[in-house]
Amino acid sequence: DTAVSQTPKYLVTQMGNDKSIKCEQNLGHDTMYWYKQDSKKFLKIMFSYNNKELIINETVPNRFSPKSPDKAHLNLHINSLELGDSAVYFCASSQDLDNEQFFGPGTRLTVL
Amino acid sequence: GNSVTQMEGPVTLSEEAFLTINCTYTATGYPSLFWYVQYPGEGLQLLLKATKADDKGSNKGFEATYRKETTSFHLEKGSVQVSDSAVYFCALSDNTDKLIFGTGTRLQVFP
Repeated sequence: DTAVSQTPKYLVTQMGNDKSIKCEQNLGHDTMYWYKQDSKKFLKIMFSYNNKELIINETVPNRFSPKSPDKAHLNLHINSLELGDSAVYFCASSQDLDNEQFFGPGTRLTVL
Repeated sequence: GNSVTQMEGPVTLSEEAFLTINCTYTATGYPSLFWYVQYPGEGLQLLLKATKADDKGSNKGFEATYRKETTSFHLEKGSVQVSDSAVYFCALSDNTDKLIFGTGTRLQVFP
């Protein structure tokens, strides 16, 4: 009965590769998010989607491209991975007008 | 712009000690305020929230009161346990579907 799930949990890859992280929520929420948490635990929003439409894009490089095939899924594709992309990426969801957000367990991305 | 400032950690306490983690915010309008907790190796969980001035959020023995006059939302617990060891994040939402987080405060509780 997982509410927000992410796959994979760990991802280790070489610089220059392209990778995807998947997120699914079964809460019936309209809004989904991606956050990046750096090595100092600082959390910053990257994207927000509402009903499959992009709402927030916080000056994230074009190498990051979110894809929302339906409102229960928000996947994150990253092209040409760089060392600085190493972080934990969290997916979250919320109801449109209720800003209580529910977070997934995170995906730890390590770029070598 | 809107921002959240938390006290730097780590905060190190003995079991049953009193806990305060300070949080102040800068925002236009009337934001909602939150405390999230991140246990080791896990994602964030909502601990408590308050949506208007003078509201008190509480959960699992933790409390925080929304103080508009001091723009603060300090987290308190009367008697901490080892299992409370985690990173605590203060956050605000200004109804733009975006949560703005503080930098997090690590709490370490020793028996």
